[in-house]
This record gives sequence, structure tokens and C-alpha cells, in this order.
Amino acid sequence: AQSVTQLGSHVSVSEGALVLLRCNYSSSVPPYLFWYVQYPNQGLQLLLKYTSAATLVKGINGFEAEFKKSETSFHLTKPSAHMSDAAEYFCAVRHSGGSNYKLTFGKGTLLTVNP
Amino acid sequence: NAGVTQTPKFQVLKTGQSMTLQCAQDMNHEYMSWYRQDPGMGLRLIHYSVGAGITDQGEVPNGYNVSRSTTEDFPLRLLSAAPSQTSVYFCASSYGRGSYNEQFFGPGTRLTVL
Repeated sequence: AQSVTQLGSHVSVSEGALVLLRCNYSSSVPPYLFWYVQYPNQGLQLLLKYTSAATLVKGINGFEAEFKKSETSFHLTKPSAHMSDAAEYFCAVRHSGGSNYKLTFGKGTLLTVNP
Repeated sequence: NAGVTQTPKFQVLKTGQSMTLQCAQDMNHEYMSWYRQDPGMGLRLIHYSVGAGITDQGEVPNGYNVSRSTTEDFPLRLLSAAPSQTSVYFCASSYGRGSYNEQFFGPGTRLTVL
């Protein structure tokens, strides 16, 4: 069964600092991975997705994630945090086989950006 | 395109009442799903549909009912509301089977059961 674990339910950074949000996956087959962002009182929006075409994936708003098979990780990074990045971030893995339209989400990481 | 729309945005129910959360999409997506979001729990799948007339249970289906009579609409029914169903509910849709299909989310319905 596919699952994801997000390390750290709350991450706080200063404006301009590096953002690193951690996600580790468990999958018996090559995984398909996603990062979503949820701004306050809104629905989820796709940031980026890993499709096996490249291990370094670039997304919207300057975010990127690197797929590392040896570490079973798909951490999300941004070189310089902006106040507008404050939101909750979710890592998700696609199910395999006949249920490949279903996603399992991590529990989320709340990012706070301090001025 | 309006994308995925949900109504109402907010709802307060008393224990035992029933209600229907509405979800509609105008992107001709095959796949639609309902999630609930609770603090520290992420999103958990309630029910999903892979096309009109086809529905199935997700991770937490108890106390909820769904039907899919058209491609566009996927209502979620609470049969007899309980305080444990206080949550934020999200509807999502995607093109269907496929590794890279992005799920598009609605803005959510915040439900409180007293």
C-alpha cells in the first residue's frame, strides 16, 4: 500500500530564508508523487508533481522538489521564503494498479513565515 | 470554467439532522471524490466515483451516502449528523485513470454539528 509521511507538522522560517518541507513515501511500485498547497480558508492547489521524467521537479511560485529513490523522499524546497508562502502543504502519493486515480495524503505541514 | 464548486460554504446542523453537500464541476471530469479534513489528520477519502452511475467507498465512508447521476454533479449526503462529522469537506475531480492526473479541489464546506 502506498503512504506518505510528512516530518514536522509545523515549520517556521524567516522571510528570505530557505524553506524545506519533508516528505517520505512508502510504495511497492515506482511512486507518483504530488505536493499541494492550501492557503487559509481555501481549497487545495497543485504545486508540482513527480512523473518520473526528471528527478528535480519545478513547480509554481518558485518551489521545487527532488525525488530521491535511495532515501524514499520527495522534499519540497524554496530558496527564499516570502510572506505569501504561509500556508499548509500536503504531500500525496497516487495509488497503483486499478485504483490509480486515488490519492493518499500526508497529514500536512503548516508553514509560518516571520518578517 | 467555474472549475469545482461547492455549496454551502458554511453549515450548522443539530445532531440527527440530515443534509446534502453539493458538488459540481464543469470540466467533464470522469473522476470525482469527497474528502474530509480534520486538524492533524490531513485529507481522508470518504467516497469516490469513476463515472456516472459508479460510486465506491473510500477510507471513512460511515455515515455518508453518495450518488452520481450525471458527470457534473456528485452530492454527499449526511444521513443522521453526528458531532464527529464536524469537519471541512472538500470535493475534487480529475480526468480519470492515469498517473499524472491532477485533482482539482473545490473551496470546501465547513460543517459544524452541535
